[in-house]
Amino acid sequence: DSGVTQTPKHLITATGQRVTLRCSPRSGDLSVYWYQQSLDQGLQFLIQYYNGEERAKGNILERFSAQQFPDLHSELNLSSLELGDSALYFCASSGGSGGPSGNTIYFGEGSWLTVV
Amino acid sequence: GQNIDQPTEMTATEGAIVQINCTYQTSGFNGLFWYQQHAGEAPTFLSYNVLDGLEEKGRFSSFLSRSKGYSYLLLKELQMKDSASYLCAVRWGLYSGAGSYQLTFGKGTKLSVIP
Repeated sequence: DSGVTQTPKHLITATGQRVTLRCSPRSGDLSVYWYQQSLDQGLQFLIQYYNGEERAKGNILERFSAQQFPDLHSELNLSSLELGDSALYFCASSGGSGGPSGNTIYFGEGSWLTVV
Repeated sequence: GQNIDQPTEMTATEGAIVQINCTYQTSGFNGLFWYQQHAGEAPTFLSYNVLDGLEEKGRFSSFLSRSKGYSYLLLKELQMKDSASYLCAVRWGLYSGAGSYQLTFGKGTKLSVIP
């Protein structure tokens, strides 16, 4: 158990719909990252937050948005869903410090999204 | 941008040793990670190198050469359960300080361990 919690674990929804994926980072971790992994594809970085502020954006579609709340949990909102959005969405967290103890990024179990 | 290359697939025999290579080109390099990922599961942390040299942890070792932009993961005494994808990831950031670093992954090397 990495300590990173994601909900829901599985989600099936129709095209055009909107879903929200939730992530609770490890206790004490300030940085939260979202990654997308499609079938047989690598991990694609979407977005990073640190202590409530957006710090970096990857190849995140305009239909997708995220935020990190004061209690440090994060949500990824996916709207106007398309078939190609079907993927495993991972949340990860780290300590965010520059020192060795904050370097490692730990992943949650992921949220399986199927768009039909 | 960040460019990370690793072989797509490898096959090795149970009990043997296998080396998975990773080359990278990046700005603001701040360390290299190796993760193991079984199909449909979360990546799990294996190793972290920020300085040149070899880091050993049980059956797994990881090596880094920053000047060559090169790393490898060495797996000894292979077991069937080691069949998985192995992901090389570079930690990088254009600025220093807390929360300034990202982790970019290679596409992963799918290792199959055969009897």
